[in-house]
Order: sequence, then structure tokens, then C-alpha cells
Amino acid sequence: DGGITQSPKYLFRKEGQNVTLSCEQNLNHDAMYWYRQDPGQGLRLIYYSQIVNDFQKGDIAEGYSVSREKKESFPLTVTSAQKNPTAFYLCASSGDKDYEQYFGPGTRLTVT
Amino acid sequence: GQSLEQPSEVTAVEGAIVQINCTYQTSGFYGLSWYQQHDGGAPTFLSYNALDGLEETGRFSSFLSRSDSYGYLLLQELQMKDSASYFCAVRDRANFNKFYFGSGTKLNVKP
Repeated sequence: DGGITQSPKYLFRKEGQNVTLSCEQNLNHDAMYWYRQDPGQGLRLIYYSQIVNDFQKGDIAEGYSVSREKKESFPLTVTSAQKNPTAFYLCASSGDKDYEQYFGPGTRLTVT
Repeated sequence: GQSLEQPSEVTAVEGAIVQINCTYQTSGFYGLSWYQQHDGGAPTFLSYNALDGLEETGRFSSFLSRSDSYGYLLLQELQMKDSASYFCAVRDRANFNKFYFGSGTKLNVKP
């Protein structure tokens, strides 16, 4: 079955540590996205990539980094520079119907 | 910039019809989307309005009026499984790969 996977589902880290969230898709989609969701709020765009080896900052990119070395993979690194990293992180992709985004199950990151 | 407003919570009974509104202030956008998200889950795509008017997909319909900066999602024959959060999102005209989401409307369906 085609889809998007994110791992792990829950992640706990100590303050000051970098952490990388995995996102893999087998939908053959060109575009991929990372969003952050805080309780009771909508999704805010962190980074997006329209094609391999290219990515653009979203509205809240500070303290985050990404890479897009393969079409299937778009990992997100939450660095120690991110002031409030505790959140629900969602990865998405879109294909020919580029207005329709497919989301992964999310990673809930807790930093203490 | 983009700003979208939705009611925070709506309650309706099973079998009823409910309308979830989305008003927006944008610097230009391509279209309005709607997503459903159950607690702790991933958002799933419901509909997209590129043009003004009504789009119907089964029990769900979505409407857009650019002149009124307004859209809505209409859910008919409500079922308990429709209890979820619903988000509207606009696609930025300056960069069509950027989407801006509203803060979501939590729909509670009661028996």
C-alpha cells in the first residue's frame, strides 16, 4: 500500500540535543512538506521541497533543518536552536493533484 | 500574509446538517481546501475549491466566495464518526506550494 510513514510516533529528548524526524513516502510524489501543530492550533509550515535537492523555508523555519537527497525521503532535524520544540510534527506530500496533501501519522516530540 | 478564521467548536446531533465557516484575509490565493483530523491522527483531505461555487463529494460539500472572502464546509447526515477537527487552508498565490491553515473547528456530534 502506498503512503507516508513517519517514525517514531513518540520521541523524547533532553533540551540542547538535536533530533531527526524521519519521513518516507512511496507515492512517487515530487513535493514534500513539514508542518508543526501545537495544541488547539492549525498547521504551520516549517519547510517544503518541490523536487530532489531543493527545499524552501516556510514561515517557522528557524531552529529546523531539512535535506532532500532522495525523492522518497525528507527528514527534519530539530536543532537545539529551536526555542519551543515540543509539538506534533506532520510530514505531507503531494503529487499530480498538487492541491491535495497526503499526511503521515505524525511524530509527537517532547523536549524536557 | 494570510489569515484564516474558523469557529473553535461546533456541536450538532447525529443525522443533522452542520456548516463550518472559514473567513480569510489574504494577499492572494489559488484555492481553498478542507481537511479532517481525528484526535491524535493525521489530517485527511476532504475537498478543494479552485473556483467560486459549490463542490459536492458525497455527504460533504464545500463552498467558496472570493468576493466575500468566505468559504464553508457543509456536512450532511451527520454520523458519530464525523466528530473531529476540520481545517480550512488556502494555497498561496505567490508560491503555490505554500499552504496556510486555519486554527481548526472541533465538531462534536451527539447522539
